[in-house]
Amino acid sequence: SAVISQKPSRDICQRGTSLTIQCQVDSQVTMMFWYRQQPGQSLTLIATANQGSEATYESGFVIDKFPISRPNLTFSTLTVSNMSPEDSSIYLCSVPRGLEYGYTFGSGTRLTVV
Amino acid sequence: DAKTTQPPSMDCAEGRAANLPCNHSTISGNEYVYWYRQIHSQGPQYIIHGLKNNETNEMASLIITEDRKSSTLILPHATLRDTAVYYCIVRVDNAGGTSYGKLTFGQGTILTVHP
Repeated sequence: SAVISQKPSRDICQRGTSLTIQCQVDSQVTMMFWYRQQPGQSLTLIATANQGSEATYESGFVIDKFPISRPNLTFSTLTVSNMSPEDSSIYLCSVPRGLEYGYTFGSGTRLTVV
Repeated sequence: DAKTTQPPSMDCAEGRAANLPCNHSTISGNEYVYWYRQIHSQGPQYIIHGLKNNETNEMASLIITEDRKSSTLILPHATLRDTAVYYCIVRVDNAGGTSYGKLTFGQGTILTVHP
């Protein structure tokens, strides 16, 4: 089963700046998913990241705001660009664990924009 | 993927069985039912999934109705640590279950286990 290390666990950032969130997986995975969880809300998928190709973004999310890198099969980054207070959320990455075990999620990055 | 409907909140006494319902009346024949939970300030945790038959693992049991339009997650002996938001999700897996598509989360059920 896959184990995910997500960094940073939390950060407080100034508006207008950018933050890059890292996800490191202990095994090779084809697909990685990035989610956002706004305060008191459920999870919303931002994009799907495949190694060697551009990420696929969900409706309402654009590459300029949330650029994603996927340089190899064990690592991915999500950048939250030009942040505003509305970007204050928990950001999570997720990978498939195999048919019998569903998906594993990282512990999340709690972002506060001031 | 089909939409799911869950009650917003439920209570359960510690040691009792917690039965969490989920409606998925528009589920397709090739869609699986997945259950996840999210304990406060943590990432979601996989619990169980199934297609047609009832399933059981070390965490829970999943009962799917014969018409597959609804299901129930059963935590047989709830503990205080089971207090969490429980999400019921339906999604497609391809033949053999090798497709790892996206999960679409609804609002879930807040389960509170009290002493």
